Amino acid sequence: GAVVSQHPSWVICKSGTSVKIECRSLDFQATTMFWYRQFPKQSLMLMATSNEGSKATYEQGVEKDKFLINHASLTLSTLTVTSAHPEDSSFYICSAPRGGANTGELFFGEGSRLTVL
Amino acid sequence: KNQVEQSPQSLIILEGKNCTLQCNYTVSPFSNLRWYKQDTGRGPVSLTIMTFSENTKSNGRYTATLDADTKQSSLHITASQLSDSASYICVVTNQAGTALIFGKGTTLSVSS
Repeated sequence: GAVVSQHPSWVICKSGTSVKIECRSLDFQATTMFWYRQFPKQSLMLMATSNEGSKATYEQGVEKDKFLINHASLTLSTLTVTSAHPEDSSFYICSAPRGGANTGELFFGEGSRLTVL
Repeated sequence: KNQVEQSPQSLIILEGKNCTLQCNYTVSPFSNLRWYKQDTGRGPVSLTIMTFSENTKSNGRYTATLDADTKQSSLHITASQLSDSASYICVVTNQAGTALIFGKGTTLSVSS
């Protein structure tokens, strides 16, 4: 079964609203989680690294005020797309390493498809 | 700049045939190299993970090889099935574990 769970799996919202996506590690603790964005027929693009108890690290070109990340516990990270616009429509995926980022197994969530009207 | 290049970009094969996907990387030194399978609209699922000291690792019909000297890895799929149709992604982790560099993936289509 899944060891990393994302919710919701699909969300449609109006332009200007904010959407929160949750990523949970189900049977292990993850001090670090990763958030990605994927456009159709393209590869995963790392957006940010979520760190439990501290600020997230954002990749170059990713607006931290647009994509708010909170890692409030060792099993939960959230990504909030603020004031969403149609260009934010994408497939958002999270991942969490079990056993350490270096050699641990990296598990991905099932992804959350965001459609902004 | 650390890069991971995959080839071919896409591949079509007949059911039952074998195929090999390539991954060339410039990440050095690196901690591990992983291969993932991603079905359309789903999250990636791990196939293999190899450290720099490993040369080959198998997972059922999937066999990954690694040549750290030439910085190349391959994923060999034996006796392909329709369900193998997916994107295959190569991911290299730097030695510090602070960066995971993703390849753009190879899209495999298996037809009957």
